[in-house]
Amino acid sequence: GAGVSQSPSNKVTEKGKDVELRCDPISGHTALYWYRQRLGQGLEFLIYFQGNSAPDKSGLPSDRFSAERTGESVSTLTIQRTQQEDSAVYLCASSFNPTGGFDTEAFFGQGTRLTVV
Amino acid sequence: RKEVEQDPGPFNVPEGATVAFNCTYSNSASQSFFWYRQDCRKEPKLLMSVYSSGNEDGRFTAQLNRASQYISLLIRDSKLSDSATYLCVVNSGSARQLTFGSGTQLTVLP
Repeated sequence: GAGVSQSPSNKVTEKGKDVELRCDPISGHTALYWYRQRLGQGLEFLIYFQGNSAPDKSGLPSDRFSAERTGESVSTLTIQRTQQEDSAVYLCASSFNPTGGFDTEAFFGQGTRLTVV
Repeated sequence: RKEVEQDPGPFNVPEGATVAFNCTYSNSASQSFFWYRQDCRKEPKLLMSVYSSGNEDGRFTAQLNRASQYISLLIRDSKLSDSATYLCVVNSGSARQLTFGSGTQLTVLP
């Protein structure tokens, strides 16, 4: 596809259920980011992938959150036993990182709006 | 200290005004610098890259000061449509990934 694609665009789930959010990055982009943004707040970094590895997962707020990436492409963010405070927009971004270099500009998907009721 | 820090804002300015945002970064090895714009309930989008020599795109001018480790964004002749949150972005962190500032909210008033 032409851009970063996220699915679903909206998700309403009951407290305590698990959810899985998907991100399809731009083809060829080696770097992938997950962010969380609560209403009226700034971006909160969750995890960064370089290829299929996550050299920085320092932003994951608890062990209920996990993410993986396969084939240097699709990534899934899983939230187990969802809580109301998990309600937010989850944004994925991808960028290109030349070997030994620095990430170029990142392109964002439109996000998944998660509501935990 | 945060890796990327921005003016707290919010900035409320009249149409036609000139407004400037500053952003400081902590990692002296940073090499990539950007300004992004985020409209309400939308995803962030690249506004412009910031080059060592400074660069201009219409009413927008970005500058980099490596010695003092800050970047700036100047908006001239503000338009109502410039109202948004402006995010400073620097590659930083243990993996040299892009790090976003918390953003500065701009409201241009008629």
